[in-house]
Amino acid sequence: EAGVVQSPRYKIIEKKQPVAFWCNPISGHNTLYWYLQNLGQGPELLIRYENEEAVDDSQLPKDRFSAERLKGVDSTLKIQPAELGDSAVYLCASSPGLAESSYEQYFGPGTRLTVT
Amino acid sequence: QKEVEQNSGPLSVPEGAIASLNCTYSDRGSQSFFWYRQYSGKSPELIMFIYSNGDKEDGRFIAQLNKASQYVSLLIRDSQPSDSATYLCAVNPPGGFKTIFGAGTRLFVKA
Repeated sequence: EAGVVQSPRYKIIEKKQPVAFWCNPISGHNTLYWYLQNLGQGPELLIRYENEEAVDDSQLPKDRFSAERLKGVDSTLKIQPAELGDSAVYLCASSPGLAESSYEQYFGPGTRLTVT
Repeated sequence: QKEVEQNSGPLSVPEGAIASLNCTYSDRGSQSFFWYRQYSGKSPELIMFIYSNGDKEDGRFIAQLNKASQYVSLLIRDSQPSDSATYLCAVNPPGGFKTIFGAGTRLFVKA
């Protein structure tokens, strides 16, 4: 079974430029998460989807970040415009979720973003 | 007080020894508890989850949960150099949906 797929793996952009990350979860997983991880820290939740519904986006900086999960499968996270402080690893994870009362999460390889 | 606290380490143990990693959490009503392993430059990988008080064993890994003390631990028996990584404790507060991660404990297993 294929794992969580993310692209790109690495991205270097100048500040004020836009950037987008893509994630395809494990087949059949209804819950999808986007996290931000800084060096030496644990992942911090940005947004969680149950199917196509964003059920927890309280930590998403909505002035510059947006996300979508059309059709409840793959998802895109966008930053516009990027700031220097956005440099981090962006992780996508999925889990069977509410439908199976199962919250073990499986992570993709992440996208390392560098904003210069 | 952080919601999920871990000693940042590094914890250094000799090969073959038992590594003991500890985690405390602040929300007494938390329901689900997870341990993830993260190698340098890689993403977290689920290694154990535990929902009930007591011990849960999976191979060389033992997860221990004490809800009264708000404490969860991970024991790694017969530690190997390949176990050297950062171990993240994660907790789902009441409601079960949102996962909060600790900052992780770095483990070094010396050959």
